[in-house]
Amino acid sequence: QQQVRQSPQSLTVWEGETAILNCSYENSAFDYFPWYQQFPGEGPALLIAIRSVSDKKEDGRFTIFFNKREKKLSLHITDSQPGDSATYFCAATGYQNFYFGKGTSLTVIP
Amino acid sequence: EAAVTQSPRSKVAVTGGKVTLSCHQTNNHDYMYWYRQDTGHGLRLIHYSYVADSTEKGDIPDGYKASRPSQENFSLILELASLSQTAVYFCASSDQGGTEVFFGKGTRLTVV
Repeated sequence: QQQVRQSPQSLTVWEGETAILNCSYENSAFDYFPWYQQFPGEGPALLIAIRSVSDKKEDGRFTIFFNKREKKLSLHITDSQPGDSATYFCAATGYQNFYFGKGTSLTVIP
Repeated sequence: EAAVTQSPRSKVAVTGGKVTLSCHQTNNHDYMYWYRQDTGHGLRLIHYSYVADSTEKGDIPDGYKASRPSQENFSLILELASLSQTAVYFCASSDQGGTEVFFGKGTRLTVV
């Protein structure tokens, strides 16, 4: 059973637009949700994260919106730049093991 | 800076052969992981370890063994490599109750 689901699988936006990446999870025990960014040929790297006690986390152009009741969260990338083109993974953890979604491939067109 | 180093970075193996992927971390982390990445499947956990000399099965352990001889080193072993094990493998580490998993750069394994 897929513990963490992401949509869309791929997303293309124009430079300057807002990209919205969606994530949902199954386990109510999950309380920490990091998003990872992966460039081709590299390992994933932590981008931004949120704890379940919060409903929003901002870091520059990146914002996580979290809905605990619906077990959903989303990553908003405002003023998207070509350098944001990457694969984004939503993850969840409750104690130790991290569960990753299948990823969203984002392409930002100049 | 936290560092996870994988070797080799790429490898071509023959079906039925033995493959060992190595990982070394300088983060002083207790937890280490091996993930497999395939297009359309994201990152799937193969094995993990929270202490030296002990390993645990992840979500897809079949066909893989793991070894943690020290806190710093964690190996993934394919005793009889198969075509279906062609993938990119990532090693990672985190501290206990960690909020961040640090990944290596990956090993691209091609089984022919």
